[in-house]
Amino acid sequence: DTGVSQDPRHKITKRGQNVTFRCDPISEHNRLYWYRQTLGQGPEFLTYFQNEAQLEKSRLLSDRFSAERPKGSFSTLEIQRTEQGDSAMYLCASSSDRGRTEAFFGQGTRLTVV
Amino acid sequence: ILNVEQSPQSLHVQEGDSTNFTCSFPSSNFYALHWYRWETAKSPEALFVMTLNGDEKKKGRISATLNTKEGYSYLYIKGSQPEDSATYLCAFTRGSARQLTFGSGTQLTVLP
Repeated sequence: DTGVSQDPRHKITKRGQNVTFRCDPISEHNRLYWYRQTLGQGPEFLTYFQNEAQLEKSRLLSDRFSAERPKGSFSTLEIQRTEQGDSAMYLCASSSDRGRTEAFFGQGTRLTVV
Repeated sequence: ILNVEQSPQSLHVQEGDSTNFTCSFPSSNFYALHWYRWETAKSPEALFVMTLNGDEKKKGRISATLNTKEGYSYLYIKGSQPEDSATYLCAFTRGSARQLTFGSGTQLTVLP
């Protein structure tokens, strides 16, 4: 296992189109997180899964955003009817649920909405 | 303090200099404090997870301290090298929440 992987690395889309990103976490990790990072800011929490259950969603996650983690393995984040304000780096992270351990991050998907 | 604050926002140092950054966080209901290093085009890399007041951790030339009562952590880099150039992020978790709340980071540039 080489760590958390995200696909695609870059995505350019026209305003109004739908986009979907994929995250493959570290295989033994049952927690999976999505974050969004914009220029000059730290990553902001979007949503969190424990196995296949989506346990928490940020207010940042509007109804145009949906995330899934079928079977508690990989996860997808879909953005419908993209807006220019959705342009950001979307980061996925995974962690174990044993103790206060670190979260391991993927390299992110850079979304540009034109 | 309601959010995580980091200072300075950016820093340029000469190779060989030692440097330090500050992270301030809400002290109530503290669970853990994380430091990450994020180099351009790479994944954020975990440096330390700190949980106890007075914790000090070290990894090579990098060390960190934690004061949970007053809500701050310091990250120190001794003898900075150009490969230390990166954005250093701190994040905390509170209570039963498991998500990280990040600061805006300190962007370090080490000049050869």
